[in-house]
Amino acid sequence: EVQLSESGGGLVQPGGSLRLSCAASGFSFSGYAMGWVRQAPGKGLQWVSLITNGGGGLKIYADSVRGRFTISRDNSKNTLYLQMNSLRPEDTAEYYCAKMGGSGSHSGYWFHYCGQGTLVTVSS
Amino acid sequence: QSVLTQPPSVSGAPGQRVTISCTGSSSNIGAGYDVHWYQQLPGTAPRLLIYDNSNRPSGVPDRFSGSKSGTSVSLAITGLQAEDEADYYCQSYDSSLSGYVFGTGTKVTVL
Repeated sequence: EVQLSESGGGLVQPGGSLRLSCAASGFSFSGYAMGWVRQAPGKGLQWVSLITNGGGGLKIYADSVRGRFTISRDNSKNTLYLQMNSLRPEDTAEYYCAKMGGSGSHSGYWFHYCGQGTLVTVSS
Repeated sequence: QSVLTQPPSVSGAPGQRVTISCTGSSSNIGAGYDVHWYQQLPGTAPRLLIYDNSNRPSGVPDRFSGSKSGTSVSLAITGLQAEDEADYYCQSYDSSLSGYVFGTGTKVTVL
């Protein structure tokens, strides 16, 4: 059974940093692309970032977070990370990590499984 | 901001059929990128319902079906049940944004 467990969320001041972690189990972690999706309170889903499988040769970001957030993975620990710097109030959201589905070009990927999420609140 | 447009809400009585449309543009659905659908029950994580326009993952009831014809994309729920009350989102890829895009979301209400 696929299990994804996010951690690291919390309250942070504007301009601050947080690192989210996602512990994965139940599948061969290194063989899959992984991603992050967020949802602001009462709002819809927004894609944040994706890292391809293996060594994570491709990393892509939404325009709203590019240059501030960094996605990475440690296949030896079956863990996905999201380093978030220069946080803004508009980054306040539930952050979900996701095991991606699909093969071939990443343009065809989908979010096959999502964890239960971790809440990030950016406020002074 | 979402670049895929969905109706804010749809409703139906138990047992009825409802459909949810997802409208994009020439840089996403119109460019031929596949569409995927998710269900989000209140207070829970999104759950994959349909991938690659019309395929159901294991465990998803066959009451849920997806279709794509040209630039027209929709999700249908037949035999509507109370447990289907949730938010539904479409998702695709956008070449202009070089990333994934979600629909605005549709709340399904069972009357």
